[in-house]
Amino acid sequence: DIQMTQSPSSLSASVGDRVTITCRASQDINIYLAWFQQRPGKAPKPLIYRASNLHSGVPSKFGGSGSGTDFTLTISDLQPEDFATYYCQQYNSYPLTFGGGTRVEIK
Amino acid sequence: EVQLLESGGGLVQPGGSLRLSCTASGFTFSSYAMSWVRQAPGKGLEWVSTINENDGTTSYAHSVRGRFTISRDNSKNTLYLQMNSLRAEDTAIYFCARRTAFEYWGQGSLVTVSS
Repeated sequence: DIQMTQSPSSLSASVGDRVTITCRASQDINIYLAWFQQRPGKAPKPLIYRASNLHSGVPSKFGGSGSGTDFTLTISDLQPEDFATYYCQQYNSYPLTFGGGTRVEIK
Repeated sequence: EVQLLESGGGLVQPGGSLRLSCTASGFTFSSYAMSWVRQAPGKGLEWVSTINENDGTTSYAHSVRGRFTISRDNSKNTLYLQMNSLRAEDTAIYFCARRTAFEYWGQGSLVTVSS
């Protein structure tokens, strides 16, 4: 099974900050990596697919990069609505697996 | 507009069974693989199962293989998850999602396994 390791598990940031979340796969997953945002009590919201492609309606303040085993999600100009938990997920092979999540909190 | 609506959740005793449904609209259901993902209270996301659009090939997480069965009825635009031999650790919100990159999600259905 492919293990997905996210770091950090949590971070504190201020409104207007730029943050970066990393996701590392235990083996090569090409670019089959997605990112999701989840606010408390809500279903996950898809942000990025194929490592760097924004879903329709997702603002360009979100950016994804990487291939192979190392990936990053960058969020610019943090706003109150961006404080949430973020997950990466590989869909290169079964079983599909998620990272443990990164909680972005207000400093 | 793509919509996924889960139903069928509830309280069930350990060892019991439950069937979840996910009704899809806003897209050609038969053309897409469909998946189930769950989230235990206060925990992260866990993929459960996927069914292909073409030949109905299915895949399961190790934790549910042999107990859960995913199926679909394309004539009803509906995805199912039959859950048998339920355990306390199956307690979670169950989401249906489109494809394996989970590009659309339902709102979720809560399954509680408890005596």
